[in-house]
Amino acid sequence: SQTIHQWPATLVQPVGSPLSLECTVEGTSNPNLYWYRQAAGRGLQLLFYSVGIGQISSEVPQNLSASRPQDRQFILSSKKLLLSDSGFYLCAWSGHVGGNTEAFFGQGTRLTVV
Amino acid sequence: GNSVTQMEGPVTLSEEAFLTINCTYTATGYPSLFWYVQYPGEGLQLLLKATKADDKGSNKGFEATYRKETTSFHLEKGSVQVSDSAVYFCALSGGGSNYKLTFGKGTLLTVNP
Repeated sequence: SQTIHQWPATLVQPVGSPLSLECTVEGTSNPNLYWYRQAAGRGLQLLFYSVGIGQISSEVPQNLSASRPQDRQFILSSKKLLLSDSGFYLCAWSGHVGGNTEAFFGQGTRLTVV
Repeated sequence: GNSVTQMEGPVTLSEEAFLTINCTYTATGYPSLFWYVQYPGEGLQLLLKATKADDKGSNKGFEATYRKETTSFHLEKGSVQVSDSAVYFCALSGGGSNYKLTFGKGTLLTVNP
């Protein structure tokens, strides 16, 4: 069965420090991968998605970047965190079948920038 | 582009009450529709889905019917429990935007004993 791992679960970082959040998927190959952010309130904002190794699409201009060095690994990074980067970050994967398929989410990372 | 509109709530009900959370969508083509649930401090879990018009998705007493004529996918449950307290998200994928999921803003449900 497929599983998705995301870590760390919580993170407190000072303003201006770098960030690296990692997400890995097991039990499937060539997944679509996504990073979402859930800021104060409940809405989900799609930050990045990837359909293959080295292929990253950004949905909104921001202080963050994403990379996909391996098929089932997706990394969210920042060189210098801002206070506004605080939030709940969720990694997700989906299959490719017909483009109509659900996404499966990791447990999330609660990032607090202080 | 694709969009999802759902009632934002919050919704507060007593245990065993009937639940409806409205969801309507705009999409090109033939999207798949989903309801996700998020319990406090956790990621999203798929609750149910429907992949074509008139399909009914159901799980854990929840159900929703894909209505193409009204572009709706309302979530219902006949008798809610305290353990149903969570945030519920309506979402779609496919259609003009292919694989990307588009989410509504979420509805906070609180069920009191």
